Amino acid sequence: AQTVTQSQPEMSVQEAETVTLSCTYDTSESNYYLFWYKQPPSRQMILVIRQEAYKQQNATENRFSVNFQKAAKSFSLKISDSQLGDTAMYFCAFMIIQGAQKLVFGQGTRLTINP
Amino acid sequence: ETGVTQSPTHLIKTRGQQVTLRCSSQSGHNTVSWYQQALGQGPQFIFQYYREEENGRGNFPPRFSGLQFPNYSSELNVNALELDDSALYLCASSSPRQNTEAFFGQGTRLTVV
Repeated sequence: AQTVTQSQPEMSVQEAETVTLSCTYDTSESNYYLFWYKQPPSRQMILVIRQEAYKQQNATENRFSVNFQKAAKSFSLKISDSQLGDTAMYFCAFMIIQGAQKLVFGQGTRLTINP
Repeated sequence: ETGVTQSPTHLIKTRGQQVTLRCSSQSGHNTVSWYQQALGQGPQFIFQYYREEENGRGNFPPRFSGLQFPNYSSELNVNALELDDSALYLCASSSPRQNTEAFFGQGTRLTVV
């Protein structure tokens, strides 16, 4: 079975702090991509960051970075210098490269940035 | 905003009725995927269409069906609506031969009463 687990249903930090969201996944495949998506109240899923499983180097995108531990099947998201606009639901997901390129999502973490 | 548009944005239907949801994919994208997102949950894959053919299906009953048109826009049809079909339905378009990024629309909120 292919599953994604996000163990933190909710998190709350102060503006400008750093926050880390956890994600673990399970798949027997070796060739896949990992993603973090943000879903604000507008409902639209927005890609935050992507990691190719074959790359050892952790992906970074401005204030967003990941800690990818392939052997442990762990893929955490770190948000530095958090901003009020980062308040949203965050979903971890993976996609198998072969066949239908479907996304398998976790349950989500509701992140609130307080002023 | 992405170039993916969904209609309608909200919809209320009665149990047993049928519904059609629509999605226009981003220009240049030939693949459309549909997801169901129940309240407080992550999205669940329903099915995917590639060049007008179904290219994979999740664990959804046959009363969930779809179409993709030559311009790559797509429809999701649900027959014999049940209360548990109440959810946000998300459409995502992509072009697998270019990259793996899926661009999502803003979704259709379906309420079944």
